[in-house]
Amino acid sequence: NAGVMQNPRHLVRRRGQEARLRCSPMKGHSHVYWYRQLPEEGLKFMVYLQKENIIDESGMPKERFSAEFPKEGPSILRIQQVVRGDSAAYFCASSNRGQGTPYEQYFGPGTRLTVT
Amino acid sequence: GNSVTQMEGPVTLSEEAFLTINCTYTATGYPSLFWYVQYPGEGLQLLLKATKADDKGSNKGFEATYRKETTSFHLEKGSVQVSDSAVYFCALSDRQGAQKLVFGQGTRLTINP
Repeated sequence: NAGVMQNPRHLVRRRGQEARLRCSPMKGHSHVYWYRQLPEEGLKFMVYLQKENIIDESGMPKERFSAEFPKEGPSILRIQQVVRGDSAAYFCASSNRGQGTPYEQYFGPGTRLTVT
Repeated sequence: GNSVTQMEGPVTLSEEAFLTINCTYTATGYPSLFWYVQYPGEGLQLLLKATKADDKGSNKGFEATYRKETTSFHLEKGSVQVSDSAVYFCALSDRQGAQKLVFGQGTRLTINP
């Protein structure tokens, strides 16, 4: 039973380039959350998606960041024109939301983005 | 808005010592409470949870009790092991809506043999 998969695990980008982070949820899960962890800080919510829908993007920066979760394939977090302040670990979590409350979120191993 | 405050680290203990990591929260309504653990280079794993007042979550010798009167969810373990060395996060989520998690800043725990 594969867990949440994220790739790449490490990503290095130069300032101004684009970063694309991928998340494959656990089998049977149709709800995905993205969180960002800055160095020595806790995780901060960015966006919550269901298949083909953004449900809550209240934690997303207004510019350069976007997310999608298509009907087929992984969820993608896209950062355009990266800056040094985007360097962080980005975690994806998936949930079933079909059984029990609260709906447990299962986390992937994260993508560590370094902007040089 | 909702927030979580954790005891600042890092915390260093000897093996078999008693562990307490304090966590308090501010929330509207009646949140669910969680402790997550993060081992080096890995994602977060749910350690335990509690969904209502006076509930006690427990797992792997760790315990935490949902205290509504003090808005706290302190993590305890009677006898720590070297393998417990990790970063521990307290978190809450609303019981409705998106149920996104709000995390504390994390407490790094190191256990020496």
